[in-house]
Amino acid sequence: DGGITQSPKYLFRKEGQNVTLSCEQNLNHDAMYWYRQDPGQGLRLIYYSQIVNDFQKGDIAEGYSVSREKKESFPLTVTSAQKNPTAFYLCASSIWPNGAKNIQYFGAGTRLSVL
Amino acid sequence: GENVEQHPSTLSVQEGDSAVIKCTYSDSASNYFPWYKQELGKRPQLIIDIRSNVGEKKDQRIAVTLNKTAKHFSLHITETQPEDSAVYFCAATGASGGSYIPTFGRGTSLIVHP
Repeated sequence: DGGITQSPKYLFRKEGQNVTLSCEQNLNHDAMYWYRQDPGQGLRLIYYSQIVNDFQKGDIAEGYSVSREKKESFPLTVTSAQKNPTAFYLCASSIWPNGAKNIQYFGAGTRLSVL
Repeated sequence: GENVEQHPSTLSVQEGDSAVIKCTYSDSASNYFPWYKQELGKRPQLIIDIRSNVGEKKDQRIAVTLNKTAKHFSLHITETQPEDSAVYFCAATGASGGSYIPTFGRGTSLIVHP
């Protein structure tokens, strides 16, 4: 299971607390993504980054923030403004640009729960 | 933007039966359609994909068909085995807005009973 590493596997957040989920890849991929997975909701895009120092909001960016200071790393911060953060978070990476054939390589995920 | 509908949400079959999962998409500019399999507790992984210039693609027991006119595509699994039990996600990718970001369906939980 090399390629994309997410940590921690489980994370607990207290009321009003910001927490940061780590995502590191050694695939030399330009693009990285964060998805939120809820039962019956599929994979919903939070943020994505095509190159270092640049990132774009996805469909559900409110209450989240990201940074892309290094090609290998794309951490996601779940802020206190995210009122329903309990979910499974998946990080992914891909070659960019590669036309429409954007194959996503996923990490093993972080399960975030609220205390 | 793109919208992908996936059905059914749950599919229960007996070992050896066939399983079909269907997806529809809304953006006619989408031209790449991957399928991902997520086994329990594991990461999603690409299992098969199809481009819009192809109508069907097969890989051993799995196949994908695409009807561009009707804007729907399907995953077919023949001779199902217990290890096929997983959640399957379809996705549609196009150049909408200049970015090639996949839009995923909500997933189908496939249960294969021995």
